[in-house]
Amino acid sequence: DTEVTQTPKHLVMGMTNKKSLKCEQHMGHRAMYWYKQKAKKPPELMFVYSYEKLSINESVPSRFSPECPNSSLLNLHLHALQPEDSALYLCASSHGQGADAFFGQGTRLTVV
Amino acid sequence: GIQVEQSPPDLILQEGANSTLRCNFSDSVNNLQWFHQNPWGQLINLFYIPSGTKQNGRLSATTVATERYSLLYISSSQTTDSGVYFCAVEPDFGNEKLTFGTGTRLTIIP
Repeated sequence: DTEVTQTPKHLVMGMTNKKSLKCEQHMGHRAMYWYKQKAKKPPELMFVYSYEKLSINESVPSRFSPECPNSSLLNLHLHALQPEDSALYLCASSHGQGADAFFGQGTRLTVV
Repeated sequence: GIQVEQSPPDLILQEGANSTLRCNFSDSVNNLQWFHQNPWGQLINLFYIPSGTKQNGRLSATTVATERYSLLYISSSQTTDSGVYFCAVEPDFGNEKLTFGTGTRLTIIP
């Protein structure tokens, strides 16, 4: 099983809303990632969790707040987003350094 | 950080044609992957190939790590091969940062 599951698939939220994106994997992977992808651009790394601890934050604004409740779950809490934050948000997991990563289907977020 | 450039940026081919996509990277890597992104955004793993050659059906890939490039070959293209192809690399100095290339948009015409 090489499946990473993301929910919801689509999300429309207002600039004053609070919402969360969820990601789940059951491959025993120790590293989990959030990426952001704008239209016609490559995915860009936002956060990396390793052994449930935040190891990389690519200078992401604080309106994005990641959380890793356990080794299988990764959340991205959203608050006070801007319309320019509309994008495809992708979650991935891997066994860690040097190992291949597997991606979820993504959440297509629209901020209105 | 590591730079990853792909060429060509766009490629339009007739069904049945063959194609070669290239990925150049600026530092030594311990992970290189090729992905196909379908129209719904899903990134599908094609190859994990930090070095050497692999084949899977009509697709094959070669990475020459010492010269810092990788090639993806698609033979006998089908319309379902359309989409964006990304290579992604993780540098050898080990920070778990998988960086994506600029992508190649492939369109297969029936």
